[in-house]
Amino acid sequence: GEDVEQSLFLSVREGDSSVINCTYTDSSSTYLYWYKQEPGAGLQLLTYIFSNMDMKQDQRLTVLLNKKDKHLSLRIADTQTGDSAIYFCAESPVGSQGNLIFGKGTKLSVKP
Amino acid sequence: EPEVTQTPSHQVTQMGQEVILRCVPISNHLYFYWYRQILGQKVEFLVSFYNNEISEKSEIFDDQFSVERPDGSNFTLKIRSTKLEDSAMYFCASSEGTKGTEAFFGQGTRLTVV
Repeated sequence: GEDVEQSLFLSVREGDSSVINCTYTDSSSTYLYWYKQEPGAGLQLLTYIFSNMDMKQDQRLTVLLNKKDKHLSLRIADTQTGDSAIYFCAESPVGSQGNLIFGKGTKLSVKP
Repeated sequence: EPEVTQTPSHQVTQMGQEVILRCVPISNHLYFYWYRQILGQKVEFLVSFYNNEISEKSEIFDDQFSVERPDGSNFTLKIRSTKLEDSAMYFCASSEGTKGTEAFFGQGTRLTVV
């Protein structure tokens, strides 16, 4: 079945770039997503990429997609303490009714 | 900004009791979802709901679970006879379409079964 894997923790210094990686198994997924969860809050959609794209940039966020290796990454430039949160990678398998397959989440800690 | 709201934020219940988790989706959304996250594990899809019926469900969503949209605004998840392993954070989500790009999540209800 479909599976999404992420490393569990990442620690960076304020001002550095953060790169959060994700691998997925369903090559037919049409959309891939990054969600952010701050403490005590719900999941917030950060950005997504359509499967026919290699890269998407949105302000400080850059998403890279390597379909051959089924690898997705999220780069956060100039990471701030307010970026500390859990980041979830998710895929939307083709034919699904909108349900998402999530990874376990990567906890990003930003040190001042 | 419109948001999905869930109540209560935390529910403690005794094993074997019935619980109802409530959600108010965004008003013009047509698709509704429940997910759960057991502590330390992945966010898992439970069920999707469209046009007053279940459109898709996972293996987790067995006969103990049911969903309802009783009044056109609330979307509820009922667990008939709770088990210890039902303890988790339950997230409601809603979207305009099925592509998932528009899915907005609530802040979650933490269910603790004792």
